[in-house]
Amino acid sequence: EDQVTQSPEALRLQEGESSSLNCSYTVSGLRGLFWYRQDPGKGPEFLFTLYSAGEEKEKERLKATLTKKESFLHITAPKPEDSATYLCAVLGYSSASKIIFGSGTRLSIRP
Amino acid sequence: EADIYQTPRYLVIGTGKKITLECSQTMGHDKMYWYQQDPGMELHLIHYSYGVNSTEKGDLSSESTVSRIRTEHFPLTLESARPSHTSQYLCASSPDIGTNYGYTFGSGTRLTVV
Repeated sequence: EDQVTQSPEALRLQEGESSSLNCSYTVSGLRGLFWYRQDPGKGPEFLFTLYSAGEEKEKERLKATLTKKESFLHITAPKPEDSATYLCAVLGYSSASKIIFGSGTRLSIRP
Repeated sequence: EADIYQTPRYLVIGTGKKITLECSQTMGHDKMYWYQQDPGMELHLIHYSYGVNSTEKGDLSSESTVSRIRTEHFPLTLESARPSHTSQYLCASSPDIGTNYGYTFGSGTRLTVV
């Protein structure tokens, strides 16, 4: 059964303090790993898709990396506006086109 | 700029009422999904569709029903609302899971049943 586990559940950082969010996954053949950002009361906003181990994607202060078992979302010199819940999701070949979401990491950046 | 629209944004309704949550997308996506999410909790898939006249139940049991008569429209209906249905409902679509887009989500409908 495909599974996604995100850690930590919550992370509080000072503005400018870099850190990483972890996404561990188990999937029978990875078709894609996705990162989303979700603000309170809104729908998730797509950030990245990663397809194979070793792949990296960047967007502003965010960088996503992928290994065969994990993905990391690195946030460099975060700002208060980066505060949100970050969701990881995977699609495997056995999932019949259904993405499996993790429970998310709630990131809070203090000014 | 959203290409997938959900209405209403907020809804407070009495127990026993029939409600329909609307979801429309202008991207021509074949695949559409409905998720239920309680505050601070995980997304749970309740319905999905791979095209017109195709609907399937998701992983979380739901008393709601859906229809897909047109590609762009995927409404969700509750025949008799109950307080246990209070939640946020999110609609999403995708063209094909192999693309670089992932799912596109709407802003959600926050439903409160009193």
